[in-house]
Amino acid sequence: EVELVESGGGLVQPGGSLRLSCAASGFTYSSYWMHWVRQAPGKGLVWVSRINSDGTSTSYADSVKGRFTISRGNAKNTLYLQMSSLRAEDTAVYYCARGFTSGLDYWGRGTLVTVSS
Amino acid sequence: DIQMTQSPSSVSASVGDRVTITCRASQGISYWLAWYQHKPGKAPKLLISAASKLQSGVPSRFSGSGSGTDFTLTISSLQPEDFATYYCQQANSFPWTFGQGTKVEIK
Repeated sequence: EVELVESGGGLVQPGGSLRLSCAASGFTYSSYWMHWVRQAPGKGLVWVSRINSDGTSTSYADSVKGRFTISRGNAKNTLYLQMSSLRAEDTAVYYCARGFTSGLDYWGRGTLVTVSS
Repeated sequence: DIQMTQSPSSVSASVGDRVTITCRASQGISYWLAWYQHKPGKAPKLLISAASKLQSGVPSRFSGSGSGTDFTLTISSLQPEDFATYYCQQANSFPWTFGQGTKVEIK
């Protein structure tokens, strides 16, 4: 059974940093692109970033470009999101999701990041 | 970036009703569109990919259609477990973008 479990969320001050992790199991992790999607309180889903299967190619939403870095450890079946220069507007539940050609077929339950002083 | 516009933003419906949600892309995306169902506190669930391909295990009362810029998600007979928020998402080009969501509420 495919399972994605996010961790690493919490309370951080504006300007601070945080690293999210997503542990994957139940599938051949190294064969899939992976994504991060977020949802601010009371708002809709927003795509954040993606990484290809071997980690050599990435893409970012303009709102996080230059501040967030997506990476992966295929030996550990883990996806990461390094977030820096955090702002109040980055407050959200962050989901990791498995990608395929035309969508995101499995999602985790998310981890909450709160940026506040 | 490609903008995705969903309508309506919310709909009140009764069990057994037919519900239709539309999604419009700001430019042509062929059939690179997915639909998701999201309930509070849960992981979003992929319902339909490639505009009309029903995912395994998704009830047949859900269907998707469209290509280019205009797409539709239809729930043919609304069931109690279908009350949720639905999102479209384009997968034509990065950055992938979602519609703003349509909340299906109990009438």
